[in-house]
Amino acid sequence: EVQLVESGGGLVQPGGSLRLSCVASGFTFSSYWMSWVRQAPRRGLEWVASIKHDGSEIQYGDSVKHRFTIYRDSAQNSLYLQMDSLRVEDTAIYYCAKVVIPFDTGAFDIWGQGTMVTVSS
Amino acid sequence: EIVLTQSPATLSLSPGERATLSCRASQSVTKYLAWYQLKAGQAPRLLIYDAFNRATGIPARFSGSGSGTDFTLAISSLEPEDSAVYYCQQRINWPYTFGQGTKLEIK
Repeated sequence: EVQLVESGGGLVQPGGSLRLSCVASGFTFSSYWMSWVRQAPRRGLEWVASIKHDGSEIQYGDSVKHRFTIYRDSAQNSLYLQMDSLRVEDTAIYYCAKVVIPFDTGAFDIWGQGTMVTVSS
Repeated sequence: EIVLTQSPATLSLSPGERATLSCRASQSVTKYLAWYQLKAGQAPRLLIYDAFNRATGIPARFSGSGSGTDFTLAISSLEPEDSAVYYCQQRINWPYTFGQGTKLEIK
């Protein structure tokens, strides 16, 4: 079964840091672009960051650029999101997502269950 | 940044009716548009990718059409479980962007 399982969410103060993890199973992790997408409370979906299948290309949304770092470890079939200088507006459910077509950027066909990040004093 | 505008904001229909949801892009995304279904407490579900390709396991009553700047998600013969918020998303340019969503209510 193709599966993504996130962890690492929690409550953090503004200015703090958090690292999210996503463990993949059931597919060849090293063949797919991977992404993080978030949904703030009572808001829509927002793309956060994406990383190429081999890690050679990374893209960030403007709202998280220079504060968040996406990276992957194919040996561990894992995707990560290091979040620094967190702001109240980063409060959201964070989803790890896989693209539908190998070696291509694309729509997200498999999503994790999400992990909640709350930034509050 | 490409802005995606979805209409209507809310749609209220009865079971068995046909729903038509629209997504308009601020510039051409050629065919690189996807549709997702989002229910409370669940992860998003991919319905359609690259304008008209149904994702694995998606019933044939969901269909996508369009190209360039204007796209449509059609749901024929609505069922109660189709009640959800539907989002479109483009992947032709970074940053990827989503529309603001259309809430579909089944009466």
